[in-house]
Amino acid sequence: AQKVTQAQTEISVVEKEDVTLDCVYETRDTTYYLFWYKQPPSGELVFLIRRNSFDEQNEISGRYSWNFQKSTSSFNFTITASQVVDSAVYFCALSGNAGNNRKLIWGLGTSLAVNP
Amino acid sequence: GAVVSQHPSRVICKSGTSVKIECRSLDFQATTMFWYRQFPKKSLMLMATSNEGSKATYEQGVEKDKFLINHASLTLSTLTVTSAHPEESSLYICSARSGPTYGYTFGSGTRLTVV
Repeated sequence: AQKVTQAQTEISVVEKEDVTLDCVYETRDTTYYLFWYKQPPSGELVFLIRRNSFDEQNEISGRYSWNFQKSTSSFNFTITASQVVDSAVYFCALSGNAGNNRKLIWGLGTSLAVNP
Repeated sequence: GAVVSQHPSRVICKSGTSVKIECRSLDFQATTMFWYRQFPKKSLMLMATSNEGSKATYEQGVEKDKFLINHASLTLSTLTVTSAHPEESSLYICSARSGPTYGYTFGSGTRLTVV
């Protein structure tokens, strides 16, 4: 069975601090995809990144970076120099490659509060 | 990029009435769309997978007769909440798989309040 665990329910930081959101996944598929989404208070889901299982390169996009480690089944997300606008709920998700496994399996989300 | 339009964004209805929510893929064809429900401060719960031209596949525990899904074209899927009750008040979000690269595009959500 597929599963995504985001152990951190809520995180509160002060602006300009770095913060890492953890994501651990379980799957038996050899080909799978990992995602991060941001959900601000408005409710709209914002796509952040998609990673396939064959690409373990870390990625950096501005203040955002992702660390994908298959050895520990983790796909952690780091925000550098956090800003108030980063306050949102962040979801990690997993999908397989075929059939019923193509649906997204969601973590419970981490609510990030960045305080001025 | 791929865009999914969801309407209405908010709806308030009286208990016992039915509400239809539309989900359109604007610039791509979506053979598969997903419908989610999200309670406050909770994760997304997949309700059903909608396939164009065939019956939707509902997740365990989701009432088919309560949540009617129609995916009549490659760009439109609808979710109808029939005879709505206050406990069905929630945020409903649709999603479509956009292209062969397994990207998922989400609508902006419909906040349903049943009074």
